Amino acid sequence: AQSVTQLGSHVSVSEGALVLLRCNYSSSVPPYLFWYVQYPNQGLQLLLKYTSAATLVKGINGFEAEFKKSETSFHLTKPSAHMSDAAEYFCAVSSGYSTLTFGKGTMLLVSP
Amino acid sequence: GAVVSQHPSRVICKSGTSVKIECRSLDFQATTMFWYRQFPKKSLMLMATSNEGSKATYEQGVEKDKFLINHASLTLSTLTVTSAHPEDSSFYICSARASGRVYEQYFGPGTRLTVT
Repeated sequence: AQSVTQLGSHVSVSEGALVLLRCNYSSSVPPYLFWYVQYPNQGLQLLLKYTSAATLVKGINGFEAEFKKSETSFHLTKPSAHMSDAAEYFCAVSSGYSTLTFGKGTMLLVSP
Repeated sequence: GAVVSQHPSRVICKSGTSVKIECRSLDFQATTMFWYRQFPKKSLMLMATSNEGSKATYEQGVEKDKFLINHASLTLSTLTVTSAHPEDSSFYICSARASGRVYEQYFGPGTRLTVT
């Protein structure tokens, strides 16, 4: 069984501030972990993924995430928020051939 | 690469009619496709998994006879909502997994279904 918990349904930051979106997972086998971004009325775009290689993963648009097995976490960060980062972010877990299990999502709000 | 399209992007239909949504992998072969449903301000709920040439596997609570899934080729899967009702109104998203890429899914842009 696998599950994902995203802490905070909404996160508000100012433009230029650090972005931190939290994700904790549960998996009975070594996980594959993903962050997706969704803009209104659009599908999901992959930001980055962890597939058992380097624990610090860099993705698109300046985002990165660090896999911490001891904390079962895969938090998403970006040093400096941009207005265009405002969107819904989903963390997801998979164990190889299994299906993706999504967290409930975190809405990132960026104020000028 | 790895582009998935959905058609239509928006559809409005009358209660009692059926509507078909297409999901295509444009530049790769997808042995497995997934159909999700997303309610407003909610996460994605997996409805079913379809493998090319075989019957779809539905998640618990999803009505097989209402949501017909066909995966007739390595680049096309269809979802047909039969006898649609207003409660079927939702955002439907498909994803596709490429042959040999077991851990990565590519998502379509979604289809907004409104049943009046």
